[in-house]
This record gives sequence, structure tokens and C-alpha cells, in this order.
Amino acid sequence: RKEVEQDPGPFNVPEGATVAFNCTYSNSASQSFFWYRQDCRKEPKLLMSVYSSGNEDGRFTAQLNRASQYISLLIRDSKLSDSATYLCVVTAAGNKLTFGGGTRVLVKP
Amino acid sequence: EADIYQTPRYLVIGTGKKITLECSQTMGHDKMYWYQQDPGMELHLIHYSYGVNSTEKGDLSSESTVSRIRTEHFPLTLESARPSHTSQYLCASSLTSGSSYNSPLHFGNGTRLTVT
Repeated sequence: RKEVEQDPGPFNVPEGATVAFNCTYSNSASQSFFWYRQDCRKEPKLLMSVYSSGNEDGRFTAQLNRASQYISLLIRDSKLSDSATYLCVVTAAGNKLTFGGGTRVLVKP
Repeated sequence: EADIYQTPRYLVIGTGKKITLECSQTMGHDKMYWYQQDPGMELHLIHYSYGVNSTEKGDLSSESTVSRIRTEHFPLTLESARPSHTSQYLCASSLTSGSSYNSPLHFGNGTRLTVT
């Protein structure tokens, strides 16, 4: 089993709809969590950190569920420009940093 | 906006050549990383450094080598390039936090290497 797992998708989303997807992690000692966005043939860019109490940044909401060991990302009112691969990153003690394989989202008109 | 730079942006080179991919950051980050990524595939960590004169191999075996003589500079070298080295190479950096919170990675814009 991988340390950090994501549904690869693609999630085909009508424009304006809401989409949500999870990232599960196996190390219960994981400390920090992030969502990155990666466009085709570009570098990953930080979308948002994930805080214990959950956090929101505009149309994006991130949640952390420590009991079930997953983080989630929800995108409201999807835009065509939201089409990308979303990578979760989990860091554990000693700063070991692990990427998930990414979830591909395609927003269609 | 992160200040981490990679050169060259694109490189096409013949088999057997020695190449060095450059990565520099101006943020004073102590940690630096090299990832390899093929199109549509996962990121694979090939090297990392937690400070000057500290380098470690990553999860994916690589024939490349790295050095960290200065905080801001983390070059990656392939002594003899082969077609199997064709890929995108991404450099990243982060800052050690004294708390349990780890700072996120900042990526350079990558070097797309093609070995013919």
C-alpha cells in the first residue's frame, strides 16, 4: 500500500458544479498537509495548506480527518481554469515529505 | 512568488554527454530537492539536501549526482546521458520550521531533458 494515495480520476465536472476528492495517508504521525495544483507540463504550485480545523480559500475548502487519516479538497462553482491535476502532500516527523499520485480534474462547459 | 530558478528550461543532448542541471534559490531555504517526472506520471524524489554538504538519495534510484556547496545552489549532474534519462527534472526548496508545522515546497519551473 502506498503511503499517500489519491484517486487518479479523471473527475469530469460540469462548469459551475462542485467537486470533492480525498487523499488518504498511512502514517498516523503525519504532521503537515498541503494541496498542490499542477497544470500539464508545468511545475506543481501550492494551492493551500490544510489545517486541523479545516480552512477555506475562496472556492476551495480543505479538510483534515485525522481519525480516518485523510484530507479532502472541495472546489465550488468550478471554472474551466480549475482543470488540472491536484496533488496532496503529507509530511511526517523528520520532515519526510510524500506526494500522492494526483487527482485529475476536467471541468467542461 | 517563490524565487527558485532552474536552467536550462529545455535541453536536447546526445547520448554519452555530461550535463549539469542548475537550480538556485534566493529564499535562504535550507532544504532542497530534485524530482523526476514523466508526462502524466507521478513525481519521484531522486535527491535531497537538508543543508550545505548534506545530500541524500531519494526514493527513486538515479544515475545522477548532486552537490550542495552553497545554501542557494543545488546542481544535478549526469556524467553520461542516456535516452532513458529523458524526462522533466523539477527542483524544489523549503524551509525547516522549528514547530511541528512543515513549510511547503516551492518548485522551480523545471528542466525538460531529451537525450537522443
